[in-house]
Amino acid sequence: DTGVSQNPRHKITKRGQNVTFRCDPISEHNRLYWYRQTLGQGPEFLTYFQNEAQLEKSRLLSDRFSAERPKGSFSTLEIQRTEQGDSAMYLCASSLAGLDQPQHFGDGTRLSIL
Amino acid sequence: GENVGLHLPTLSVQEGDNSIINCAYSNSASDYFIWYKQESGKGPQFIIDIRSNMDKRQGQRVTVLLNKTVKHLSLQIAATQPGDSAVYFCAEKESGTYKYIFGTGTRLKVLA
Repeated sequence: DTGVSQNPRHKITKRGQNVTFRCDPISEHNRLYWYRQTLGQGPEFLTYFQNEAQLEKSRLLSDRFSAERPKGSFSTLEIQRTEQGDSAMYLCASSLAGLDQPQHFGDGTRLSIL
Repeated sequence: GENVGLHLPTLSVQEGDNSIINCAYSNSASDYFIWYKQESGKGPQFIIDIRSNMDKRQGQRVTVLLNKTVKHLSLQIAATQPGDSAVYFCAEKESGTYKYIFGTGTRLKVLA
């Protein structure tokens, strides 16, 4: 068990560019979650998948954001036409199926918009 | 929306003392709670969880207490060590959902 892996760890880009982050969950976990965290705040839920199905999306996830999990394993989060306000840490977590399963987090991708 | 909140943004304790980190939640429909520890530059690390049908759960050096009457959650760390210095978050999950709501966190500083 190597834990949840996220790549890249850091991404610096100019405003208006598109960025894509990748998350590899713990192998036996079929639930995968994306969160956004800004400095001094707790993680904010963005979306979650059960296997390849995206089952819930937060209103924080604007039309510029899209997440996929095509084969029910790794997931990608894409942000199009990045804005200054997108600067944050993007965290991925995974869990087993069933209610009341703890989520295990990766170390995140820190996005900085110039 | 309803959030998980924390009473103290920063807690300083002497090494070896016990620490108590508090959390107030407002959603009476929440039925599962988790405490996470987050060190600088890392993702939240699971510490301990508790379901709403329990009022106490113990782990290694940690105890979580849940008081549903006043919607209060606490994390007790025994014999606090320098390695316990971090930001601690409580998170709640509403019954029947898979979405977790986090508070803003409490920074624990362990003084040598």
